[in-house]
Amino acid sequence: AQKITQTQPGMFVQEKEAVTLDCTYDTSDPSYGLFWYKQPSSGEMIFLIYQGSYDQQNATEGRYSLNFQKARKSANLVISASQLGDSAMYFCAMIEGGSTLGRLYFGRGTQLTVWP
Amino acid sequence: DTGVSQNPRHKITKRGQNVTFRCDPISEHNRLYWYRQTLGQGPEFLTYFQNEAQLEKSRLLSDRFSAERPKGSFSTLEIQRTEQGDSAMYLCASSDPGQGATNEKLFFGSGTQLSVL
Repeated sequence: AQKITQTQPGMFVQEKEAVTLDCTYDTSDPSYGLFWYKQPSSGEMIFLIYQGSYDQQNATEGRYSLNFQKARKSANLVISASQLGDSAMYFCAMIEGGSTLGRLYFGRGTQLTVWP
Repeated sequence: DTGVSQNPRHKITKRGQNVTFRCDPISEHNRLYWYRQTLGQGPEFLTYFQNEAQLEKSRLLSDRFSAERPKGSFSTLEIQRTEQGDSAMYLCASSDPGQGATNEKLFFGSGTQLSVL
């Protein structure tokens, strides 16, 4: 079974609007971490935001927030006030507490396009 | 630039040839990772080093693949007798030694894009 599922291959949003990128995960480990990375066309994976399984509050980092719904095993990324530079692939990833350090499981990604 | 550096950015080779990639992590990071990303997929874990010790290898890493980190600084990934199925982006990442088990933030390089003809 897929550990990370991203069901939106592509999303389009107009500049200055908010957009939500979906992510669901599957694990039986009570301790885990959830990440979102951005991959522009240059190829580098850029860390955006992190949410721990025991965190009570949703994570926020500037224009990025993570809508964490533990019971639904959902960790959606919300980008507010989209900018043209936000156009990129976005990957949701998870690390399990019982797994190898740094062993991230990635989804297939969502290609976000921001139009003027 | 103090980020993770990977060389070369692109490599084109013929099937059956050997190739070697290099990764220079962020200098104070003692953990180093290799991931592989094929077209339309997210990155997949290959292997992990803590200093010079290779502590974990994925089943994706066949006998034709070997990774080293001889002095605990830079790392090399060699693929022997390349096959067309090896065509992918090979990403290197490093992480801060102060991280816990589930909040370890990886810093990735821009990758080496391998094309096997």
